[in-house]
Amino acid sequence: GEDVEQSLFLSVREGDSSVINCTYTDSSSTYLYWYKQEPGAGLQLLTYIFSNMDMKQDQRLTVLLNKKDKHLSLRIADTQTGDSAIYFCAEVPYSGAGSYQLTFGKGTKLSVIP
Amino acid sequence: ETGVTQSPTHLIKTRGQQVTLRCSSQSGHNTVSWYQQALGQGPQFIFQYYREEENGRGNFPPRFSGLQFPNYSSELNVNALELDDSALYLCASSLKETQYFGPGTRLLVL
Repeated sequence: GEDVEQSLFLSVREGDSSVINCTYTDSSSTYLYWYKQEPGAGLQLLTYIFSNMDMKQDQRLTVLLNKKDKHLSLRIADTQTGDSAIYFCAEVPYSGAGSYQLTFGKGTKLSVIP
Repeated sequence: ETGVTQSPTHLIKTRGQQVTLRCSSQSGHNTVSWYQQALGQGPQFIFQYYREEENGRGNFPPRFSGLQFPNYSSELNVNALELDDSALYLCASSLKETQYFGPGTRLLVL
């Protein structure tokens, strides 16, 4: 079955790096995503990685994928107070029918201490 | 901004009523997906529409139904509302795998 697990809370000091971790179970997953949700808002796509990649860097964001362990991480460099939000990891399992259904974790609430 | 819009932003209904939520896709996107996000949870997939046909459905009862129109906008209909239907309903549009979300409609069922 499909399941995505994340730790629920992370607290870091402003200027430090944040690392948010995620594990998933479906080895057929083709794309893995990180979304950010601020209070009362929808989901903002931060970045994504294709399953044949190990790493992707996008400005302050670095995504690492360990496909053997089914482990995904998001590193935010120089974390700012504006980064305080809930971060969701999501996978798209291969369905063969062209249907792309995102399966989300419960989200990690990142709190940045000034 | 993703270009995905949803209406209304908030809605209050009573048990047993019916509700229709609307979504306009990002320009050029032909696929719309709907998700339900209960408080403190991750979004759960309801269903997806591709070129006006349902193209995948999650574990939701038949009283959750949808439509997609020729301009790729979409509606989510929920009949016989239950208290547990209170949630944020998110619409996402896509061309292929990557989905872009709207701001959501917050539904409260009393």
